[in-house]
Amino acid sequence: GQNIDQPTEMTATEGAIVQINCTYQTSGFNGLFWYQQHAGEAPTFLSYNVLDGLEEKGRFSSFLSRSKGYSYLLLKELQMKDSASYLCAVRGTSGTYKYIFGTGTRLKVLA
Amino acid sequence: EAQVTQNPRYLITVTGKKLTVTCSQNMNHEYMSWYRQDPGLGLRQIYYSMNVEVTDKGDVPEGYKVSRKEKRNFPLILESPSPNQTSLYFCASFSGTGATGELFFGEGSRLTVL
Repeated sequence: GQNIDQPTEMTATEGAIVQINCTYQTSGFNGLFWYQQHAGEAPTFLSYNVLDGLEEKGRFSSFLSRSKGYSYLLLKELQMKDSASYLCAVRGTSGTYKYIFGTGTRLKVLA
Repeated sequence: EAQVTQNPRYLITVTGKKLTVTCSQNMNHEYMSWYRQDPGLGLRQIYYSMNVEVTDKGDVPEGYKVSRKEKRNFPLILESPSPNQTSLYFCASFSGTGATGELFFGEGSRLTVL
């Protein structure tokens, strides 16, 4: 079957660093995405990995290991506005472009 | 401004009354898709379309219909809504030829079926 696992909830302090893990088992792989979603709003794109390694984008970094079916999103210098849900998603084999989403990790940033 | 527009944003209806949620994108994207989001279940794909006149079922297509007569529009039709279709719905699109192919989401349509 196809499955994406990520923690349901995490809490961190303003200014700290937090790592949100994602493990996946899918029948095909054509990229892993992280999206941010504030309550009641649409998901917005954060990062994309298709090759193994780390992609850095300002305060956000994302890592991928295809052999382990594992990714993480690293958020540095946390701000209150980072309180949101973070969705891990895998895109299936090229040609179908089917996306599978995890249930999301709700991050609370405390002052 | 590049965007995906959904309407209505909020709707309360009754069981059995047909409704359509419209979705339009102005980015000339080939791929469009509908998702529903429920607490604890995450985003689940209902239907998707690779291009005009090409549609396919996602993971939870029962009770829904779609059409793709024009590239920019991808309406979601609930022929006979039931309470279990109460949910938050998102339309999304992306360009199949884009560098990353990230999804662009509409603002969401919150549907309540009584």
